[in-house]
Amino acid sequence: AQKITQTQPGMFVQEKEAVTLDCTYDTSDQSYGLFWYKQPSSGEMIFLIYQGSYDEQNATEGRYSLNFQKARKSANLVISASQLGDSAMYFCAMRDSLGGNEKLTFGTGTRLTIIP
Amino acid sequence: AAGVIQSPRHLIKEKRETATLKCYPIPRHDTVYWYQQGPGQDPQFLISFYEKMQSDKGSIPDRFSAQQFSDYHSELNMSSLELGDSALYFCASSYFEGLARNEQFFGPGTRLTVL
Repeated sequence: AQKITQTQPGMFVQEKEAVTLDCTYDTSDQSYGLFWYKQPSSGEMIFLIYQGSYDEQNATEGRYSLNFQKARKSANLVISASQLGDSAMYFCAMRDSLGGNEKLTFGTGTRLTIIP
Repeated sequence: AAGVIQSPRHLIKEKRETATLKCYPIPRHDTVYWYQQGPGQDPQFLISFYEKMQSDKGSIPDRFSAQQFSDYHSELNMSSLELGDSALYFCASSYFEGLARNEQFFGPGTRLTVL
């Protein structure tokens, strides 16, 4: 069974600083996809970034980048130049296929608070 | 751009009542997923449909059922509601394109409160 672990229940970061949110995963599959979603206080789930298990380059999407270390089974989210609007809950999630339409398994999330 | 639509956004029910949640996926998307997120919890997968056929089933209680219709919208039917069913229910949709990222786009959720 898949398992996603996010060990940081909450983080406080000064505005404009970079922040790293940790995510480790456990799977015996060779092909899988890793996702990060943001959930503001309003409740919606917003897709941020994706990394496929065979991708050799770390994924980047604007201020978001994914530090993918396959041997360590970690997929940390890095947010550069944090903004007040980044305050939200962040979930790491895994799909047990490289492509496909299987379900996502989520971690317990990290609540990020940006301090002005 | 069109997003996933869920209705209603908020729903209050009494114990033992029934509820129906509706989901309208993004046009062209062929897969619909339902997730349940309890207070302070991560989203838990309930069920999914691909091309109107059930494709996967998670921890969905027997009191719940779901289907996807010919126009691709989906409904989650919940009967004999219990206090523990109070949660945010997400519908998500995706378009299957082989070995692509096929990310799931989430709707705004339906917040169900059972009194």
